[in-house]
Amino acid sequence: AAGVIQSPRHLIKEKRETATLKCYPIPRHDTVYWYQQGPGQDPQFLISFYEKMQSDKGSIPDRFSAQQFSDYHSELNMSSLELGDSALYFCASSSSSYNEQYFGPGTRLTVL
Amino acid sequence: AQTVTQSQPEMSVQEAETVTLSCTYDTSENNYYLFWYKQPPSRQMILVIRQEAYKQQNATENRFSVNFQKAAKSFSLKISDSQLGDTAMYFCAFMKRLTGNQFYFGTGTSLTVIP
Repeated sequence: AAGVIQSPRHLIKEKRETATLKCYPIPRHDTVYWYQQGPGQDPQFLISFYEKMQSDKGSIPDRFSAQQFSDYHSELNMSSLELGDSALYFCASSSSSYNEQYFGPGTRLTVL
Repeated sequence: AQTVTQSQPEMSVQEAETVTLSCTYDTSENNYYLFWYKQPPSRQMILVIRQEAYKQQNATENRFSVNFQKAAKSFSLKISDSQLGDTAMYFCAFMKRLTGNQFYFGTGTSLTVIP
């Protein structure tokens, strides 16, 4: 079965640089979520989109923005990167019918 | 606000034995979902089991079952016939019954299955 695809899987950036993470949901899933997981921590919700509209918002810094496109894929844009942004970033998708979230493999971001 | 509490940071169980992981939550919502996710060393988040709050029957998925006590706001996970592959971090999660709504995760329980 198709799963959530995230790219890139690993990303290394310098402080103050920008990064773009991409997420391709499971086919026919209309909702996308972004989470940030630091070492030894539980995932922290950043933002979600349903049918290309922002649905819920969590602890997403103002330096970050995201959107969902017409093909339902989503991108998380991160600017002015800080050392503390180093984390595993998960994308998850769900259908509005079932609401259980299926997670991608994550993008490991390292900020040097 | 919703909070999810997992009071057991670490647990261990002998292979083939049964273990129960506890989770409590606090919410004023009446319609919601509860989930258990497993995160092995690969760090992939894998859905283990899901419970809808309006269903009184406890969910079961093969060796995994839950004890859902809505009044007590408790949602424990029982793993029967534990296998080495069950070694992972287990997260309890709460979600309001609204499309696109976020998960609220507990802090996780690290489970080790001992051969």
